Amino acid sequence: DSGVTQTPKHLITATGQRVTLRCSPRSGDLSVYWYQQSLDQGLQFLIQYYNGEERAKGNILERFSAQQFPDLHSELNLSSLELGDSALYFCASSVATGLAHNEQFFGPGTRLTVL
Amino acid sequence: GIQVEQSPPDLILQEGANSTLRCNFSDSVNNLQWFHQNPWGQLINLFYIPSGTKQNGRLSATTVATERYSLLYISSSQTTDSGVYFCAVPPYSGGYQKVTFGTGTKLQVIP
Repeated sequence: DSGVTQTPKHLITATGQRVTLRCSPRSGDLSVYWYQQSLDQGLQFLIQYYNGEERAKGNILERFSAQQFPDLHSELNLSSLELGDSALYFCASSVATGLAHNEQFFGPGTRLTVL
Repeated sequence: GIQVEQSPPDLILQEGANSTLRCNFSDSVNNLQWFHQNPWGQLINLFYIPSGTKQNGRLSATTVATERYSLLYISSSQTTDSGVYFCAVPPYSGGYQKVTFGTGTKLQVIP
């Protein structure tokens, strides 16, 4: 158990809908990262938050947004869902003092299926 | 951006055999991690190894940052080692991490 929790574990929804994925980082970690793993794209970095502020952005679609709350949990919002958004979404956390020397720990993932 | 290549893409081993997985990266890095994704999809940290060599039981890893590669050694493989092995690196830009994962090595250990 990495100490990172994600809910829900599974999510099935329809095209055009909106969903929210939730992540709680390890105790003491200030950074949260979101990743998408799909069959054709592999593991893709989406976005990073550090202590409530957005710090790095990857291949995140405009239909997707995220935020980190004062208690450091994070939510990833996916809207206007398309079939291609079906994937495993991971959250990771690290101490992340702002330097690139930080080990990331991953949650169990949320498997999203868009029908 | 940084390119991360892993080899071999697929590997089948008899239980008890040894193997070496390779991760090549196209730019300087100051951080590298190896992960094992088990058949249930869970990503498990194996090593955090920006440079040098580390060992953990039957697994060990070596990163030669100056030559832009890292190796993961699995000795006396077991069926529970099956899954996909990923290396992941951020670019050497300091600041914040924008991690790139390799394409993975899919390992199957057969009894």
